[in-house]
This record gives sequence, structure tokens and C-alpha cells, in this order.
Amino acid sequence: GAGVSQSPRYKVAKRGQDVALRCDPISGHVSLFWYQQALGQGPEFLTYFQNEAQLDKSGLPSDRFFAERPEGSVSTLKIQRTQQEDSAVYLCASSLGAISYEQYFGPGTRLTVT
Amino acid sequence: AQKITQTQPGMFVQEKEAVTLDCTYDTSDPSYGLFWYKQPSSGEMIFLIYQGSYDQQNATEGRYSLNFQKARKSANLVISASQLGDSAMYFCAMREGDTGRRALTFGSGTRLQVQP
Repeated sequence: GAGVSQSPRYKVAKRGQDVALRCDPISGHVSLFWYQQALGQGPEFLTYFQNEAQLDKSGLPSDRFFAERPEGSVSTLKIQRTQQEDSAVYLCASSLGAISYEQYFGPGTRLTVT
Repeated sequence: AQKITQTQPGMFVQEKEAVTLDCTYDTSDPSYGLFWYKQPSSGEMIFLIYQGSYDQQNATEGRYSLNFQKARKSANLVISASQLGDSAMYFCAMREGDTGRRALTFGSGTRLQVQP
């Protein structure tokens, strides 16, 4: 079956531009996570949704970062006024239930801010 | 303090040999889960194996096994009979608690290179 998909795969933005990154989770998956992975490091948690509810946004680095999942399926991570330090791979993951432990990851979106 | 520590930035192994990737963790939560993920150059994180803190036996999945030493707070990944396709970054991760925050905390990874 189809896995987690993300688009675009690559995004180049000029500093100060707004960007929107999309995640399509596996159909029927309740939980959705966003992670940020800087070059040469492990992923770091950004935010978590259970259906349409954003239950944890403690990892969002600033108020320039905003995520939504209005219908409990597709999610969008928006970054306003991008900065160079936002350059990273943004990974989306989904899991079947609220307590399922296995997270399935998408291929990521590589954001480069110039 | 780091919650997940992977002390080996890079490892080399000969094809068909076994290799152990180290991971230590830090938590005061009695209930937690430990994970290993593989990240090839394509970028996608691939789930390999899971160990729950209350599991009595070490987890195994095919050529992967997890050497879980709870008292030492270590969860090393053992890959048997290495293959060229095993060359990738490997991340150890932890999820704390059964409720509440469900996010994974990752280590910094180990780059494994399998040599023919």
C-alpha cells in the first residue's frame, strides 16, 4: 500500500519567504508527527497531531512555525519569514493509533534557505 | 543531559560479519520504548526493531536483534551477516511513557559502511 508521502521533495527559499510543506499520511492513520533533521544530526520533534487535534507543539522552534491538519488526514507545516537556520530536512511520520508505537516516515522535504 | 547517546559516529564492517551499534539512554520514566531506525542515502527513515521497557526478552527481527540491558540503560543493535545494502545511517530513539507525549527522541546516529 501507499506509504507516507511528502511534497515538495526539495524546496529552495530566499530568506524572508514563506514556505508550506505538505504531508500525506498513510490512510487511516490517526497520529501524525513532524520532525526537523539538521544535516548530520538525528531528527528532532516539532509537533504531533491526533486526528485534527494538535496535542503537542512543544518542539516548534519559534512562532514562525505553524502546522495544521484540519480534516485529520493531510497536514501542512508552514514556516513564515524563513531564516537560514531553518535549512533542514523536514520529516513527517504517521502511526495507526493513538498508542501505536511504530511510526512510518515519509521521504522528507529538504528545505534550503538562501 | 542527552536522552539518547550514540557514541560511534562511524563504523566499518566486512560483508557477512556481525556488527554492534551502541546506544545508551536516560530516562526516569518506568515505561518507555526503544527503537532503531535505518536511514539510507535516500533519506527515508525505516523502522527496524522495537523493545519495550517491560519486555522480558530481547527483541529480534530477522538479522536484527536488540541487546537490551536495562540496568545499564543500553539498547545496542546487532546486525548479523552484514550485507552491502546495510550501509546507511542508524538511529536509536526512545519514546517515554504510555500516555501523553508520543514523540520520539533520537540520538545523533551512527554511519555504518559495509565493505565487500
